[in-house]
Parts: sequence; structure tokens; C-alpha cells
Amino acid sequence: NAGVTQTPKFQVLKTGQSMTLQCAQDMNHEYMSWYRQDPGMGLRLIHYSVGAGITDQGEVPNGYNVSRSTTEDFPLRLLSAAPSQTSVYFCASSPHGREVAGELFFGEGSRLTVL
Amino acid sequence: KNQVEQSPQSLIILEGKNCTLQCNYTVSPFSNLRWYKQDTGRGPVSLTIMTFSENTKSNGRYTATLDADTKQSSLHITASQLSDSASYICVPYDRGSTLGRLYFGRGTQLTVWP
Repeated sequence: NAGVTQTPKFQVLKTGQSMTLQCAQDMNHEYMSWYRQDPGMGLRLIHYSVGAGITDQGEVPNGYNVSRSTTEDFPLRLLSAAPSQTSVYFCASSPHGREVAGELFFGEGSRLTVL
Repeated sequence: KNQVEQSPQSLIILEGKNCTLQCNYTVSPFSNLRWYKQDTGRGPVSLTIMTFSENTKSNGRYTATLDADTKQSSLHITASQLSDSASYICVPYDRGSTLGRLYFGRGTQLTVWP
């Protein structure tokens, strides 16, 4: 099993451009999520999904869209990139539901720079 | 407001030495707490989970403790190795909300020197 796969690993955008960060998992996990990690701060939740067709906002959702058409995939879309979105983005999945805080399995991260 | 404070922010030790990392949290109602290890340029990986009723749990050279009354947890690393160089992140879980409400600490950056 590959686990959680993120692409691309590195990306440079200009302000105003749009792009999609891809995330795929092959563990049949119900729960998937996107975090951003900035220097000196803990991981912050952007969006999450508890199953195909179900998504919800996290702590910092503005400027990002998600969809969950399949169990395996959970892409993160930047609608109009801003320098404040320069960060390292992590996708994570978990087999557990809401009552139990299951272990999160993280991807390797996608480093995004917005000029 | 739920918060997680980790100390020290960074730590340098010599290979073979022991160290203890601290985590204070105010998450309530508290369910459990995980420690994650994040190598440079990689995603975090879970080391151990402490539930409300557990005081101590070991995973090889890693020993986690939890005092739910004082809302403190620690991670003790014994006989450190170069591969222990990483950021260690404390993550308490608020059982009063959805799985989305995990609270990530800022981490302690540990550097092990030969």
C-alpha cells in the first residue's frame, strides 16, 4: 500500500492563479482532511471529509475548496492564490469515525509558494 | 479557548542522552492525547496515544505520561539516537466535537548531536 499520496511535492504560483493539490489514499479510510503548516504554528485544519460526498470546513477554510467524489480522493483547490497561502500542505486520513479520535496517516506534504 | 503549549520550543542533546518533552493543554472535555513525530520534510507519524485513564505508556525508547487532572503530558526519550532528531507534536482530542477538532501543538524541535 502506498498510504497517502500527495502531488505535487513543490509548486510555485503567481498571485491570482488557481491550482489543485491532489491527495489519494489506498487504505479505504472514511476520514480525510487537509492541514496547513506554517513556521512557529501548529498544524491548522482547512477542510475535512467524513465520507464520499460529505465535506466540512475546518479552522482556516477561506480561499480553499474541496470535494469528495470517491473514498480515495480528496483534492484541495486554491481559487485565487495569495501570498498568505504560502505554506506546506498536508493531507491526512483516518479509518475511524467521530466518536474515536483515530490515528491520522499523513502524506509527505506539498510545499506551495505564492509570489 | 482550547490551547496546547509545548516546551521547550527546541532542544539539543548529545547522542545517548535522555530527554523529556512537555505538553500542557486546556482541551475540554478531554478524550485522549497523541504524540506525533515529524521528520524534516516529512508528514507527522503517530508515536503513541494516551487515553483518559492511562498514566504511562511505552513504545520502545519512548515513554509518554499523562496527568489528566493537571492537563499535562510528557514524552521521555531514552538513550537518544541521531534518528530521533525531529519535531515532536502533542495533539489532544476534544471529544465534545467532531473528529476535525484535533488540537496540534507547535511542537518541540529536537536535535541529537553525535
